[in-house]
Amino acid sequence: DGGITQSPKYLFRKEGQNVTLSCEQNLNHDAMYWYRQDPGQGLRLIYYSQIVNDFQKGDIAEGYSVSREKKESFPLTVTSAQKNPTAFYLCASSSNDATFSGYTFGSGTRLTVV
Amino acid sequence: SQKIEQNSEALNIQEGKTATLTCNYTNYSPAYLQWYRQDPGRGPVFLLLIRENEKEKRKERLKVTFDTTLKQSLFHITASQPADSATYLCAPSSGGSYIPTFGRGTSLIVHP
Repeated sequence: DGGITQSPKYLFRKEGQNVTLSCEQNLNHDAMYWYRQDPGQGLRLIYYSQIVNDFQKGDIAEGYSVSREKKESFPLTVTSAQKNPTAFYLCASSSNDATFSGYTFGSGTRLTVV
Repeated sequence: SQKIEQNSEALNIQEGKTATLTCNYTNYSPAYLQWYRQDPGRGPVFLLLIRENEKEKRKERLKVTFDTTLKQSLFHITASQPADSATYLCAPSSGGSYIPTFGRGTSLIVHP
């Protein structure tokens, strides 16, 4: 079955540490996205990539970094520069042409700073 | 700035009734509008996409309308069931890109 996998499901980070969230898809989608969701707020776009080896900042990119070396993978690093990283992180993928039929989301990673 | 409004209060309805959720947007002329369902602790699931030149779209018990004059989309679930209880997200996007801006969502609770 095709899908998108995020790992880990729960992640705890000490202040000052960088952590990397994994996102893998086998849907052959060109585009991948990272969102952050906080309680009572809509999803906010962190970074997105519409093709391998290229990515763009979203609305809240400060304190985050990404890479897109393979079509299937789009890892997100939460750096120590992110002042309030505790949140629910969601990865998504989609086609980015006329066949677009919505995003497929992963099941999310809940990051907590301890 | 672009603004998307969905009812922040939960919508409570009885099983079998039609649920209607509202999405209003301002300072925006979206070419597409998507609706997603999200269960607690899970990622959103895509339900329907409607384009600006489509007034209405249906999928099984779901119906979406898109009124570009009123700047509003309505999402209907007919013959609602307790299993329909979830948060529903509205996500309009501008032409040239499918990347949407997500609303905060409306919680739907269907009582047996």
